[in-house]
Amino acid sequence: RKEVEQDPGPFNVPEGATVAFNCTYSNSASQSFFWYRQDCRKEPKLLMSVYSSGNEDGRFTAQLNRASQYISLLIRDSKLSDSATYLCVVSNSGNTPLVFGKGTRLSVIA
Amino acid sequence: NAGVMQNPRHLVRRRGQEARLRCSPMKGHSHVYWYRQLPEEGLKFMVYLQKENIIDESGMPKERFSAEFPKEGPSILRIQQVVRGDSAAYFCASSPRRQGAHTGELFFGEGSRLTVL
Repeated sequence: RKEVEQDPGPFNVPEGATVAFNCTYSNSASQSFFWYRQDCRKEPKLLMSVYSSGNEDGRFTAQLNRASQYISLLIRDSKLSDSATYLCVVSNSGNTPLVFGKGTRLSVIA
Repeated sequence: NAGVMQNPRHLVRRRGQEARLRCSPMKGHSHVYWYRQLPEEGLKFMVYLQKENIIDESGMPKERFSAEFPKEGPSILRIQQVVRGDSAAYFCASSPRRQGAHTGELFFGEGSRLTVL
């Protein structure tokens, strides 16, 4: 089983739609979780951290379910500029590198 | 306020040649990470370095790959005797402190895309 698994998509949604991505992780001892965004042929950039209590940043909401070992990202009111690949990222301990999922591709259509 | 600088952005090599990829971290960052992204694959950790030290090379292939981060100058990822399977995007990232459980932000460069003919 892979450490971090994501549905590769693509998710094709119209502008204004709400879309949600899930990600599962295999290591129950994982400590920290993040969503990164990667545009086509560009570098990944941190989108948001994921806290146990859930967190929201504008149109983006991230949630963590430790019992089921998954995290989610919800995007409301999708914009064309949201089109990108969203990477689920897990940190297993204080001294180990970040583990990246393969990403979920989102395409927002006018 | 320059970000992480990588060069070359694109590199073409024939099988058996050497590839050298350079990375200058953000100003004030002394921690450098190299990741590799194969086509349609996720980012895979390769190596973590601080100035003059390799801290974690658990993701580096055992042969042909090496990395350094000298006291002066950029970090270098070196691939000897390249093969077609080395074709990938190589991303360098830096951070001001050791990246770990509580510091998920890595600042990535734009990557170096290696094509092996």
